Amino acid sequence: EVQLVESGGGLVNRGGSLRLSCAASGLTLSSYRMSWVRQTPGKGLEWVSSISSSSSSIFYADPVKGRFAISRDNANNSLYLQMNSLRVEDTAVYYCARDLPENEAFDIWGQGTMVTVS
Amino acid sequence: QSVLTQPPSVSGAPGQRVTISCTGSSSNLGAGYDVHWYQQLPGTAPKLLIYDTNNRPSGVPDRFSGSKSGTSASLAITGLQAEDEADYYCQSYDNTLRRVFGGGTKLTVL
Repeated sequence: EVQLVESGGGLVNRGGSLRLSCAASGLTLSSYRMSWVRQTPGKGLEWVSSISSSSSSIFYADPVKGRFAISRDNANNSLYLQMNSLRVEDTAVYYCARDLPENEAFDIWGQGTMVTVS
Repeated sequence: QSVLTQPPSVSGAPGQRVTISCTGSSSNLGAGYDVHWYQQLPGTAPKLLIYDTNNRPSGVPDRFSGSKSGTSASLAITGLQAEDEADYYCQSYDNTLRRVFGGGTKLTVL
């Protein structure tokens, strides 16, 4: 079964840090651009960050630029999001998602991990 | 305030046709970028429903279709079924903001 599984979410104080992980099974991430998308409670979706297959290109949404860092380990089929200087408004469910090749859509999503900043 | 504007809710009776609009601007839909649609069932992750305006991933019924014109796009669902009750999101690319989403539309099947 093709699956992305996020972990690392939890409760953290404002100004604190968390590292999210996304492990893939049934698919190889190394050929794909990968992204993080978040969803605030009861609200909509927001793109957070993307990383190319070789890590040569990285992009961030303005609200997280300078505080979050995306990375990947193709050998371990994993994606990461280091989140520093967390703010209350970063509270959300964080999804990792695979980018559809040659496209801006996300074709495979994980189940999400909740991050709460108090 | 989302970059792409969707109606908060739509509803329809089983068997009917409903449409969900998605309005953007000259920096996203109007710039020629494609629109994609996602379905999010309660308590689950979003699922890609339509990509590149009117392409369905494998397994998505042909009751779902999309269109785009200028700065607006639409998702149409025909033969509405109870299992279609969900939140629907449009998504595109923006010259300034990169990937952007609509605020989501809650579809209620009456």
